[in-house]
Amino acid sequence: SYVLTQPPSVSVAPGQTARITCGGNNFGSKSVHWYQQKPGQAPVLVVYDDDDRPSGIPERFSGSNSGNTATLTISRVEAGDEADYSCQVWDISDRSAVFGGGTKLTVL
Amino acid sequence: EVQLVQSGAEVKKPGESLKISCKGSGYSFPTKWIGWVRQMPGKGLEWMGIIYPGDSDTRYSPSFQGQVTISADKSMSTTYLQWSSLKASDTAIYYCARDGGSSSYYFDYWGQGTLVTVSS
Repeated sequence: SYVLTQPPSVSVAPGQTARITCGGNNFGSKSVHWYQQKPGQAPVLVVYDDDDRPSGIPERFSGSNSGNTATLTISRVEAGDEADYSCQVWDISDRSAVFGGGTKLTVL
Repeated sequence: EVQLVQSGAEVKKPGESLKISCKGSGYSFPTKWIGWVRQMPGKGLEWMGIIYPGDSDTRYSPSFQGQVTISADKSMSTTYLQWSSLKASDTAIYYCARDGGSSSYYFDYWGQGTLVTVSS
């Protein structure tokens, strides 16, 4: 089955830029989506189809997908951005959704 | 306003059966896929399966095929996740989530989660 690989943790100072990666094979043929999950809360979609933002998500959140790596970029990081971030794709061959293991973003 | 409201927390013993629910409102319920996602304590998100309430077409993750049953009642705008014989390892939070409607299957609205605790 398809596997998505994320770093377990990323740390960044307030005001700086955080980049969270998601690795997989043949990413070019898949659309990548990103979710934010704060403790005790349900996940929230922050980027879909590689680089689109749902309404209400700040422009500071952006996404890209190139080769075998997708990246969620959070500009001008705030304390409130501290959360777990997970990537997700739809695997057409298995007709299954797949999540990455999640990355804990710590704001120093 | 789109909402997915899940049933309340459950405490069960191993071997017992369970059915939890997810009720949608604020949109055309039959026309959007609904997925179920497991989150074990302290762990990441795991996709379990997805159902199209309009015709109950259902797809399961290979990891959960045969372990759970996903169903829907479009007249009640509700989908269900059920177990016939729970195990301690089923202890987790279970989320339902609505597919955003594109061929890439992302989840744009989520329920609040249902905590299932299985313990003797």
